[in-house]
Amino acid sequence: AQSVTQLDSHVSVSEGTPVLLRCNYSSSYSPSLFWYVQHPNKGLQLLLKYTSAATLVKGINGFEAEFKKSETSFHLTKPSAHMSDAAEYFCVVSLYNNNDMRFGAGTRLTVKP
Amino acid sequence: EAQVTQNPRYLITVTGKKLTVTCSQNMNHEYMSWYRQDPGLGLRQIYYSMNVEVTDKGDVPEGYKVSRKEKRNFPLILESPSPNQTSLYFCASRRPSGGDTQYFGPGTRLTVL
Repeated sequence: AQSVTQLDSHVSVSEGTPVLLRCNYSSSYSPSLFWYVQHPNKGLQLLLKYTSAATLVKGINGFEAEFKKSETSFHLTKPSAHMSDAAEYFCVVSLYNNNDMRFGAGTRLTVKP
Repeated sequence: EAQVTQNPRYLITVTGKKLTVTCSQNMNHEYMSWYRQDPGLGLRQIYYSMNVEVTDKGDVPEGYKVSRKEKRNFPLILESPSPNQTSLYFCASRRPSGGDTQYFGPGTRLTVL
């Protein structure tokens, strides 16, 4: 079985400061990991994904995440927050040959001017 | 444009009145899935389909039905809706591998009175 835990339900940063959204996963096998973003009243958009290639993954809008097997983590970062980054972010774990995608509970990111 | 569409986007109904939420994708994806999103719980899978005429239960299938008669369509049916099915529903599709990106529809906000 696999699962994912997003360690913070809400993160608040000031515009121009770094963003860190934390995600830990549990999986018996090598997982695929995703970060999705959901802006208010919108659907989910893929930010980035890890599928056993490079451990540092770059996504859209300046976001990146690092897969750390030893720590079972896949934290999402961005060097400088923008007001438009305010949204809910979901970490997702999946197996290559499995139909089971597990979503974290989500982290709401607030960006203060 | 590659997309997943859902209809209706918003629906208010009463307990017991059967309803169907349609989902269609134009990417020729084999895999389709329905999720519900509730505050603090992330997205939970209701049903999924690996291909035409192949469907299976997700984590929260009670009170829902699905069908997959055509590759592009995957309707969600609530035979007798109840207030605890008030939620935000998302349809999604992807290629068969769990490592492939899942594309989401815009969501359907359902209120059952």
